[in-house]
Amino acid sequence: GDSVTQMEGPVTLSEEAFLTINCTYTATGYPSLFWYVQYPGEGLQLLLKATKADDKGSNKGFEATYRKETTSFHLEKGSVQVSDSAVYFCALSSTGTASKLTFGTGTRLQVTL
Amino acid sequence: EAGVAQSPRYKIIEKRQSVAFWCNPISGHATLYWYQQILGQGPKLLIQFQNNGVVDDSQLPKDRFSAERLKGVDSTLKIQPAKLEDSAVYLCASNLGQGDGNTIYFGEGSWLTVV
Repeated sequence: GDSVTQMEGPVTLSEEAFLTINCTYTATGYPSLFWYVQYPGEGLQLLLKATKADDKGSNKGFEATYRKETTSFHLEKGSVQVSDSAVYFCALSSTGTASKLTFGTGTRLQVTL
Repeated sequence: EAGVAQSPRYKIIEKRQSVAFWCNPISGHATLYWYQQILGQGPKLLIQFQNNGVVDDSQLPKDRFSAERLKGVDSTLKIQPAKLEDSAVYLCASNLGQGDGNTIYFGEGSWLTVV
């Protein structure tokens, strides 16, 4: 079945540091890939997505590239801010109208001054 | 455009009691999902509806959980009787179904504590 593996957290960085959160997946066919973010006490918000190989999703300075050859979708940001502190979830969606999300376990990011 | 609405936001009940959560998806979204998110874990799909029909309920503990989506719009998720391990956030989500790049939109969640 489909599965998503994320690097374990927590990840603690100083403000303006470079961020990478690794994500790899296992799926049949050609899934869509997503990063969702969850701020403390809130629900999940879509951060970015990519629907086919070599697509790059980007939003709010974050970006991730769909790498079919390595089955990866690593999240990166060049300069993190304290306000980026949250839990980040990598997910995939099977193709078709009955699509559903399979999530990784989440990576907590803590950014300090 | 209004997002996915859920209520109540927070609920504390004793074990063996019952609880119900309500969800109103984004207008026009045919697909509705209920996910369970236990603290420190990723969300797990409980049930998926397409209009008012069930597409996938393979991970729904049917001895205590039930869900319905009358008229293909609003949905309710019920737990009866609750166990301590049901303490989690229950997330409702919706999806247009076609031509939306499979983007699924989530509500803010209903936080359940069973004591």
